[in-house]
Amino acid sequence: DSGVTQTPKHLITATGQRVTLRCSPRSGDLSVYWYQQSLDQGLQFLIQYYNGEERAKGNILERFSAQQFPDLHSELNLSSLELGDSALYFCASRGDSSGNTIYFGEGSWLTVV
Amino acid sequence: GESVGLHLPTLSVQEGDNSIINCAYSNSASDYFIWYKQESGKGPQFIIDIRSNMDKRQGQRVTVLLNKTVKHLSLQIAATQPGDSAVYFCAERNQAGTALIFGKGTTLSVSS
Repeated sequence: DSGVTQTPKHLITATGQRVTLRCSPRSGDLSVYWYQQSLDQGLQFLIQYYNGEERAKGNILERFSAQQFPDLHSELNLSSLELGDSALYFCASRGDSSGNTIYFGEGSWLTVV
Repeated sequence: GESVGLHLPTLSVQEGDNSIINCAYSNSASDYFIWYKQESGKGPQFIIDIRSNMDKRQGQRVTVLLNKTVKHLSLQIAATQPGDSAVYFCAERNQAGTALIFGKGTTLSVSS
């Protein structure tokens, strides 16, 4: 158990809809990362937050957004969903004392139908 | 741009053999590399990492080798066990130093 908690574990929704994925980082970790994993693209970095502030952006679509709250949990919002958004979405966290290692949650599996 | 790739998508070995998983990276300025293991239905788990000022680092049954000349990284697993069956990802720190960029993964299958 990495200590990173993600909900929901599975989600099925229709095209055009909006969903919110939630992540609780390891206790005390200030950095939260979101990654998308699909069969043909591997693990794609989406966005990073540090202590509530956006720190870095990767290949995140404009239809997607994220935020990190004062209690350090984070949410990834996916809107106007398309079939191609079906993927496993991982949250990861890193503490200032854990060096460069990031710890992943178990993921949220999103299926868009 | 930054990209990390692996030479082979799949690798099959017999239990007890040594496994070598390879990875090529493109950013010659990368200063940090890491290997993760992902079992079916789980998130990636940290295996071992290495900084660019090192050529080799050993862990328990695993060794990472870094060849900066040819921008090549490898993970060696000694005495491979069925529990080692998983997808293995290499990753490098991005140019901004803020995130890890992953390759597409090698699926290791261990038969007993």
